Amino acid sequence: NAGVTQTPKFRILKIGQSMTLQCAQDMNHNYMYWYRQDPGMGLKLIYYSVGAGITDKGEVPNGYNVSRSTTEDFPLRLELAAPSQTSVYFCASSPMEAGGHNEQFFGPGTRLTVL
Amino acid sequence: DAKTTQPTSMDCAEGRAANLPCNHSTISGNEYVYWYRQIHSQGPQYIIHGLKNNETNEMASLIITEDRKSSTLILPHATLRDTAVYYCIVRVIRTYKYIFGTGTRLKVLA
Repeated sequence: NAGVTQTPKFRILKIGQSMTLQCAQDMNHNYMYWYRQDPGMGLKLIYYSVGAGITDKGEVPNGYNVSRSTTEDFPLRLELAAPSQTSVYFCASSPMEAGGHNEQFFGPGTRLTVL
Repeated sequence: DAKTTQPTSMDCAEGRAANLPCNHSTISGNEYVYWYRQIHSQGPQYIIHGLKNNETNEMASLIITEDRKSSTLILPHATLRDTAVYYCIVRVIRTYKYIFGTGTRLKVLA
């Protein structure tokens, strides 16, 4: 299993540009998540999905959009990039196991700079 | 969601036990305590979780006080590879959201 994969690893955008961060998992997990991590800070949840066709907002959704057309893929779209979106973006997935345990498996991250 | 409070940083000598405290005084009866760690800039990695009882796995032990208002993660024999940021998180059973704090930066010293 490749686990959770993210592309690209690094990207520099100009203000106002748009891009899609890709995330894929091959563990057949129903739940998927996007987080951002600013320097020296913990992770903040942007969006999450509990299955194909179902998404919901996290703590910091403004400026982002997501879709979940398949179990495997959960892309994150930035429509009008702003310097405040400079961050490291992590995708994660999890099964929901019996008893309510929820271990999240994280990808390696995408480092995004907006200039 | 219950919030957690952790020390900003700690040092530990290699080979000694590392005890990382976490305060979660507003925790509810249906909230789990989870611990993750983040080595350098990699994605966080699950360590252990618990509800009421103490737990142990191959990586660590989790001690939860009887009133559940605090917990301690124990790495029994810390190595240099355990240098990382450790996050204590509470999560409501059968919900999907973690609230990450800023964690404890553990430095294991040779």
